[in-house]
Amino acid sequence: DTAVSQTPKYLVTQMGNDKSIKCEQNLGHDTMYWYKQDSKKFLKIMFSYNNKELIINETVPNRFSPKSPDKAHLNLHINSLELGDSAVYFCASSQGGQPNTEAFFGQGTRLTVV
Amino acid sequence: GQSLEQPSEVTAVEGAIVQINCTYQTSGFYGLSWYQQHDGGAPTFLSYNALDGLEETGRFSSFLSRSDSYGYLLLQELQMKDSASYFCAVIDSWGKLQFGAGTQVVVTP
Repeated sequence: DTAVSQTPKYLVTQMGNDKSIKCEQNLGHDTMYWYKQDSKKFLKIMFSYNNKELIINETVPNRFSPKSPDKAHLNLHINSLELGDSAVYFCASSQGGQPNTEAFFGQGTRLTVV
Repeated sequence: GQSLEQPSEVTAVEGAIVQINCTYQTSGFYGLSWYQQHDGGAPTFLSYNALDGLEETGRFSSFLSRSDSYGYLLLQELQMKDSASYFCAVIDSWGKLQFGAGTQVVVTP
């Protein structure tokens, strides 16, 4: 069983489109994250949710909107896609409450905007 | 805010020992983690230090000095499969996990 799964794995789309990436974890964790990894491999935190509540919202354009329907799911919707949004997006989860000791990452979604 | 510094690349031969240093600046520091990422793969957890000292897990060890805002990851008996990027990550008291820019480790025969 995959602990943290993201779909799709690859996404190629045109500028201006709207797209969503889905993430699910079956670890029973309370906290979920979205990270963006650019071509230089820098992993930048975007959002963090704890028990469906947004707790971290970095300086991300408001074209990016996370949604957590329940604590096992954290989806990322992106409006009006731009070339600079091309990156690998990773979902992760950890046991919340105490600052985590281990975060589990999904396999990533490689987004290419053309 | 938070900032982390680690070297961009380290090259070593099989069987060697590599130390990857990480210095950080953050408010509400809680702990320091290390993650490994192979090309095309996901980051995977290696170790975590909340207290000063050395944590050993097989060939990998991690060290933390809170007073110096410094830690390192030690890779021993390097193997070809250890070629990957290694990230230090600071955890703050709000549960935010912030990564450094990563160190590319290249292991040569």
